[in-house]
Amino acid sequence: AQSVTQPDIHITVSEGASLELRCNYSYGATPYLFWYVQSPGQGLQLLLKYFSGDTLVQGIKGFEAEFKRSQSSFNLRKPSVHWSDAAEYFCAVGADAGNNRKLIWGLGTSLAVNP
Amino acid sequence: NAGVTQTPKFRILKIGQSMTLQCTQDMNHNYMYWYRQDPGMGLKLIYYSVGAGITDKGEVPNGYNVSRSTTEDFPLRLELAAPSQTSVYFCASRRGTLNTEAFFGQGTRLTVV
Repeated sequence: AQSVTQPDIHITVSEGASLELRCNYSYGATPYLFWYVQSPGQGLQLLLKYFSGDTLVQGIKGFEAEFKRSQSSFNLRKPSVHWSDAAEYFCAVGADAGNNRKLIWGLGTSLAVNP
Repeated sequence: NAGVTQTPKFRILKIGQSMTLQCTQDMNHNYMYWYRQDPGMGLKLIYYSVGAGITDKGEVPNGYNVSRSTTEDFPLRLELAAPSQTSVYFCASRRGTLNTEAFFGQGTRLTVV
């Protein structure tokens, strides 16, 4: 079955530290992968996406993600976290299901940043 | 460019009341979605539409109805509000190809008392 797993429900990092948020997917075909961020009280905003080409993709706000087919992973990284990065992060995969080209969502990872 | 607009932002309903959550997009997207978000539960798909006149159920459709008479609008109707429908609701739209992202509204926080 198609699925997206974000193993970490909650992560706390110190400001200035590096960050890696994990995302694993289960999908039979070539996946189309997305990372979204949700700030408190806001809707979801796209950070980056991957669908072909270079497996390391750059996104907004200094984020990057690496697609590893062998590990079925699409982990999100940032070299130095800022206090404003505290938010909920969601990984998603675009999948075909009949006439519904749907998005399958992970449950999210909540990021807290210590000053 | 407004993107996806949801109204209202907040609403308190009494049990048994009905209401419509409005969603409109100005990007000419074919696909539109309604999600609910509960703490720790991620996004649950309520209904979706692949074009005007076409709607279908998602994971948690019970207690809700939708219509899609135009490309732009995708209202979500709650007929008999129940406390279990207390949640944050998000509308999203998408062009519909696999590699395109979804654009989200700001959400509606609904409380049923």
